[in-house]
Amino acid sequence: SQQGEEDPQALSIQEGENATMNCSYKTSINNLQWYRQNSGRGLVHLILIRSNEREKHSGRLRVTLDTSKKSSSLLITASRAADTASYFCATELNDYKLSFGAGTTVTVRA
Amino acid sequence: EAGVAQSPRYKIIEKRQSVAFWCNPISGHATLYWYQQILGQGPKLLIQFQNNGVVDDSQLPKDRFSAERLKGVDSTLKIQPAKLEDSAVYLCASKVQLSGRYEQYFGPGTRLTVT
Repeated sequence: SQQGEEDPQALSIQEGENATMNCSYKTSINNLQWYRQNSGRGLVHLILIRSNEREKHSGRLRVTLDTSKKSSSLLITASRAADTASYFCATELNDYKLSFGAGTTVTVRA
Repeated sequence: EAGVAQSPRYKIIEKRQSVAFWCNPISGHATLYWYQQILGQGPKLLIQFQNNGVVDDSQLPKDRFSAERLKGVDSTLKIQPAKLEDSAVYLCASKVQLSGRYEQYFGPGTRLTVT
């Protein structure tokens, strides 16, 4: 079963704006990962946050994790047309298996 | 470093036919995964290999799906016979077995259409 659920399902923003998407999950995790998928392509790993971390940055990406609420957020700052993609959160338990949510589709308008 | 390779990229078959997908993981990656991604959904794990052994195949429909990873490198996923609901993208991913390295590397996927 898929543990993560992303919100919103779809997001449309203007180039240069920030995009925020959220992920909720159900059970305790080892870490939480965010992946990007461009149309018709495989998934690309963006960032990983461990269960004992609260915030992590990578370039224009900022991820937060609240284990008490079992939720995470991904912020993309100063969005570009190339950021148009689907974004998935994936939770890893202690057995190296990832459980993916249904994803948030982000459209960045020029 | 070369990425995960998959073939074919696209396949169209009729229901009740058989189909096979091939995956070549990144060199040195001991863990290999097959996922099924139905349109509009996230990937769902079908099977996980560690070297040439199966770690988890609890979500693999074993009455019609089979997978193997001979010699712990390449892997094949087979569907026999296919059903309409098997239409999806089949993704292969691999992961290096190093402490502190958790990310999976995905191939481009095989898009299967069953008519």
